Amino acid sequence: LAKTTQPISMDSYEGQEVNITCSHNNIATNDYITWYQQFPSQGPRFIIQGYKTKVTNEVASLFIPADRKSSTLSLPRVSLSDTAVYYCLVGDWRSGGYNKLIFGAGTRLAVHP
Amino acid sequence: DAGVIQSPRHEVTEMGQEVTLRCKPISGHDYLFWYRQTMMRGLELLIYFNNNVPIDDSGMPEDRFSAKMPNASFSTLKIQPSEPRDSAVYFCASSLDRGLGNTIYFGEGSWLTVV
Repeated sequence: LAKTTQPISMDSYEGQEVNITCSHNNIATNDYITWYQQFPSQGPRFIIQGYKTKVTNEVASLFIPADRKSSTLSLPRVSLSDTAVYYCLVGDWRSGGYNKLIFGAGTRLAVHP
Repeated sequence: DAGVIQSPRHEVTEMGQEVTLRCKPISGHDYLFWYRQTMMRGLELLIYFNNNVPIDDSGMPEDRFSAKMPNASFSTLKIQPSEPRDSAVYFCASSLDRGLGNTIYFGEGSWLTVV
């Protein structure tokens, strides 16, 4: 299983761009990189997923270098409501294999006024 | 879509009592998951089903825990007898196997306190 390492916590201010980097040195060829967000008292919510290069959606961007040994979740112009825990997951759970989907400790992002 | 629906949202029970948590997955999803979240252990996968069949229950902590999925729209997680260390948030989630990086949708969770 690909082990992931991400910062335990980060602080930011409203309007700033936040980049959270996740290391996954032993990522396998078929593994995808997925980020989830969890607000207090709620279940995790899918943010973005990618395999290589750059992926962008209405919420965030995901940058993946060519070697795929790390990835960076970018949140543009954060607001107070972006305060949450962000999880980086790496794995290939297509057609099953969900026991490989491991949520680590995540990164606790605090956005300040 | 209503999303994954769990009940009860909150439950406080006494040690030794039976606890039943319920889940209705998103219609059409073929995978259903039960997770447990605590401060100490984070988010752990307990068991998951594919087309109502349990695929992997290696995360179920012990025999006091059991899960069933009698049909595609309903699942239960039962703890009997419950113990204080079972206090946690239990999440049900579902997913549709599209064969490509599937997204898992979580419910709001059932907050269990065993006293």
